[in-house]
Amino acid sequence: AQSVTQPDIHITVSEGASLELRCNYSYGATPYLFWYVQSPGQGLQLLLKYFSGDTLVQGIKGFEAEFKRSQSSFNLRKPSVHWSDAAEYFCAVGARIGGSTLGRLYFGRGTQLTVWP
Amino acid sequence: DAGITQSPRYKITETGRQVTLMCHQTWSHSYMFWYRQDLGHGLRLIYYSAAADITDKGEVPDGYVVSRSKTENFPLTLESATRSQTSVYFCASSPDSGGKDTQYFGPGTRLTVL
Repeated sequence: AQSVTQPDIHITVSEGASLELRCNYSYGATPYLFWYVQSPGQGLQLLLKYFSGDTLVQGIKGFEAEFKRSQSSFNLRKPSVHWSDAAEYFCAVGARIGGSTLGRLYFGRGTQLTVWP
Repeated sequence: DAGITQSPRYKITETGRQVTLMCHQTWSHSYMFWYRQDLGHGLRLIYYSAAADITDKGEVPDGYVVSRSKTENFPLTLESATRSQTSVYFCASSPDSGGKDTQYFGPGTRLTVL
């Protein structure tokens, strides 16, 4: 069964420091992988996604993620964090529903990022 | 460009009452989804719809009813609200499915059941 694990519930970093948020997935086929960000009181916004090809994916707001099939991981990174990056981050895997052509996202439980000034 | 909207944004109700949460999207996306977000659980899928008049259950459908008579609307009804349904509810839409398309989320409805 497909699942997504985000092992870190809460991460705190200083502004200007680098960031890495971990994501591990379980899925039998080639995964479609996503990172979403949720600012307080807001809905989720797509940061980046991976379908195929280059395993290093660039997203918005200076984020990138690397797909590592051997480790079943899709970690999110940013070289220098800004205070405005404080939010909750969700990793998700896209998968078909049963044997149909319909698909859905399976979300991890999220990682809350706090940024110290 | 309104995108996807949800109403109300906040709702307080009492146990046993019927509540309907509205979701409207202006993109004519075929697929729409309802999630609930609870601390420690991330987002869990309640119902989804592949087109008007086509809906199906997600992983936590009990106590909820959906309908989709028009492509742009996807209301979620709690037939008899319970305290365990206190949550933040998100509606999302997607132009296509297969699990590879970006889902676009509404701002959410915070529901409190007393």
